[in-house]
Amino acid sequence: QKEVEQNSGPLSVPEGAIASLNCTYSDRGSQSFFWYRQYSGKSPELIMFIYSNGDKEDGRFTAQLNKASQYVSLLIRDSQPSDSATYLCAVKTSYDKVIFGPGTSLSVIP
Amino acid sequence: GAVVSQHPSWVICKSGTSVKIECRSLDFQATTMFWYRQFPKQSLMLMATSNEGSKATYEQGVEKDKFLINHASLTLSTLTVTSAHPEDSSFYICSADLPQSGDTQYFGPGTRLTVL
Repeated sequence: QKEVEQNSGPLSVPEGAIASLNCTYSDRGSQSFFWYRQYSGKSPELIMFIYSNGDKEDGRFTAQLNKASQYVSLLIRDSQPSDSATYLCAVKTSYDKVIFGPGTSLSVIP
Repeated sequence: GAVVSQHPSWVICKSGTSVKIECRSLDFQATTMFWYRQFPKQSLMLMATSNEGSKATYEQGVEKDKFLINHASLTLSTLTVTSAHPEDSSFYICSADLPQSGDTQYFGPGTRLTVL
């Protein structure tokens, strides 16, 4: 079992819709969770981080964490074509290492 | 947010030569920096963890004699690709750890290396 898993996609949503990106992790003791966005040919940029169970909102982005299910998600409301990118989930494990998932490719169709 | 720079942004070199890539944290001190490699349409691959004042920790399968890492100060880490070959052509990205932000990693813009 891989430590951090994401659907590779591509995930296609129409402009204005909600995009839902999912991530599962194997280390139950993980404490910190991060979402990054990476445009083609560029380096990853931080969208947000979450530590506690529940939802955390920042503008059009909402991160959701469920530690019991070992699941973290990112919702993007009112998706725009400029949101088209690869989204990376990262998890800081109980042994102090940050593991990145393989990324989910999102395409927002105008 | 924290700013990390990398230099150069792209480099082309001949096979057999060495290339040095610099990674700097501009507005914070980073005791830990990370070096990643990313091939086209593939995910990030952690190469090594660079700790200020001590030897880098390399991931399994990464040749430490080929990829020399030096973290001489709290704001600078360098990666030297020695005796580069075409298969070393890749996108090299560094990141710096900001402990006061829950160990959030902030990435540099990356260096695209092409070995002819």
